[in-house]
Amino acid sequence: NAGVTQTPKFQVLKTGQSMTLQCAQDMNHEYMSWYRQDPGMGLRLIHYSVGAGITDQGEVPNGYNVSRSTTEDFPLRLLSAAPSQTSVYFCASSYRGRGFSYEQYFGPGTRLTVT
Amino acid sequence: LAKTTQPISMDSYEGQEVNITCSHNNIATNDYITWYQQFPSQGPRFIIQGYKTKVTNEVASLFIPADRKSSTLSLPRVSLSDTAVYYCLVGALPGAGNKLTFGGGTRVLVKP
Repeated sequence: NAGVTQTPKFQVLKTGQSMTLQCAQDMNHEYMSWYRQDPGMGLRLIHYSVGAGITDQGEVPNGYNVSRSTTEDFPLRLLSAAPSQTSVYFCASSYRGRGFSYEQYFGPGTRLTVT
Repeated sequence: LAKTTQPISMDSYEGQEVNITCSHNNIATNDYITWYQQFPSQGPRFIIQGYKTKVTNEVASLFIPADRKSSTLSLPRVSLSDTAVYYCLVGALPGAGNKLTFGGGTRVLVKP
């Protein structure tokens, strides 16, 4: 299994441009999430999905859109890039264990710079 | 949301045991406590998860008191390669109002 893959690894955008960060998982996990991590900080949840066709907002959703048309893919769209969106973006997928337990797997990240 | 508080940093030496405590006073009934390890330029990696009492796996132990308002990650006999940031995460899977929130993490430096 490849696990969670993210493309691209690095991206530079100009203010106002739009782009899509790709995330795919081959573990048949129901749950997928997008986080951003600013320098020296913890991860903050942007959007998440509990299954194909179902998405919801996390802690910092403004400026981002998501969709989940298949179990495998969960792209993150930046609508109009701003310098404040300069960050490292991590995608994660999870499965539910017994009760409410879970295990979350993270991708390698996409480093985005907005100038 | 269950807010977590961890020490910002800890130093240790090779072969020592490292204990990192996380406070989570408003943990909810369905919340699990999960610890992740993160190296520079990599995504977080799952270490251990627990709900109550003690959990042990091949790399760590997790101690959770009866009131569940705190938890302690124990790394036995650390090596230089254990130098990383360790995050405590309290919550249940996203959905039905649950949102997993990371704290600031504890930067552990293992010295020779």
